[in-house]
Amino acid sequence: GAVVSQHPSRVICKSGTSVKIECRSLDFQATTMFWYRQFPKQSLMLMATSNEGSKATYEQGVEKDKFLINHASLTLSTLTVTSAHPEDSSFYICSVLRGGGRNEQFFGPGTRLTVL
Amino acid sequence: GQQLNQSPQSMFIQEGEDVSMNCTSSSIFNTWLWYKQDPGEGPVLLIALYKAGELTSNGRLTAQFGITRKDSFLNISASIPSDVGIYFCAGFNAGNNRKLIWGLGTSLAVNP
Repeated sequence: GAVVSQHPSRVICKSGTSVKIECRSLDFQATTMFWYRQFPKQSLMLMATSNEGSKATYEQGVEKDKFLINHASLTLSTLTVTSAHPEDSSFYICSVLRGGGRNEQFFGPGTRLTVL
Repeated sequence: GQQLNQSPQSMFIQEGEDVSMNCTSSSIFNTWLWYKQDPGEGPVLLIALYKAGELTSNGRLTAQFGITRKDSFLNISASIPSDVGIYFCAGFNAGNNRKLIWGLGTSLAVNP
């Protein structure tokens, strides 16, 4: 499988601040990465598709101005939660797509965000 | 959005027992993926299936891509305590090979 890292693994911030989460593909170049959020005891919910060198594609209901995504290189995508509020507290997970006919997604370890 | 029907929702078994869980879809899928997620971690890919009828094993795990292309199952044989976790099915339907569709998960508890 692919090795994907996320940083930080957990973050606690005050309401109104912005938080940046990094997702790195460590062993292959990823043209496409995905950002998910997961609430307790629920499945993963796709937030956006991050495309290297172009704008991210956001899912319906996800505010692009609140969840800023930057995929500046083939190994790094960042998600910035701007002006965070307590309801943004969640588990954020990124994944990388290994294409080439094998549509497999490999996930990072996740980032636990708590907004006070 | 679309979700897969995954069952059972939870299972509590004795160590050594076999486990079976399945997913069904209302539309045709061209890829089925089975993941395991431990608490506080990201999902880990267990098995990937690409062809109708395909049967693939990974150690004590076996998964099959249903012939109708609308279902898949995962079996775990001789369960051990470290099998505890949440198992998710996911797949790509024939119309969209970029957006994974997810099941709601099967929570597995193993009594030593």
